[in-house]
Amino acid sequence: DGGITQSPKYLFRKEGQNVTLSCEQNLNHDAMYWYRQDPGQGLRLIYYSQIVNDFQKGDIAEGYSVSREKKESFPLTVTSAQKNPTAFYLCASSTLTPLNNNEQFFGPGTRLTVL
Amino acid sequence: SQQGEEDPQALSIQEGENATMNCSYKTSINNLQWYRQNSGRGLVHLILIRSNEREKHSGRLRVTLDTSKKSSSLLITASRAADTASYFCATDAETGTASKLTFGTGTRLQVTL
Repeated sequence: DGGITQSPKYLFRKEGQNVTLSCEQNLNHDAMYWYRQDPGQGLRLIYYSQIVNDFQKGDIAEGYSVSREKKESFPLTVTSAQKNPTAFYLCASSTLTPLNNNEQFFGPGTRLTVL
Repeated sequence: SQQGEEDPQALSIQEGENATMNCSYKTSINNLQWYRQNSGRGLVHLILIRSNEREKHSGRLRVTLDTSKKSSSLLITASRAADTASYFCATDAETGTASKLTFGTGTRLQVTL
């Protein structure tokens, strides 16, 4: 059953704590992405990765960190430096082709709430 | 930054009617994509239109692209209650690299029986 999974679905964090969100894909996609969505808003890119052991900052990377040790996995850590971390976090993946007209496949999301 | 801006922000129609959503963007693009999001869920890709295309169809979906006006429209014909969702346009300005999509703020579509 191919797809992209995220865990947990809901996550609660106390202020000052770091927390890691999981994202796994078995689509054999090279590229993976993390987005943040606030209520009634579109998605904003946090980080993305095109290849193992390499990643780039998106538009709102401050207070977040990622790793890409395996092709299938792209975990996101929300650090205590992130001022307003309560949001819906979405992970996505895509192929990479020379023309780059690629759709992204999204996971079901993780809703993070800071208490 | 939010390059795409959808219009209207919210749309309520009856089943069987057509729904039209518009998207405007600011910079040159490689392609424009439309996604659908059911409440509290991930996004699902609907259709991609390349910068050299003007119109594309997929089932009950029709997408147009006017690069001179930097705008796109999504038409859903013969809408169904199951079409109730938020719809986002996303622009891809990069070539030869990972597709860094820039999403609009979305149109919330409500289809009533």
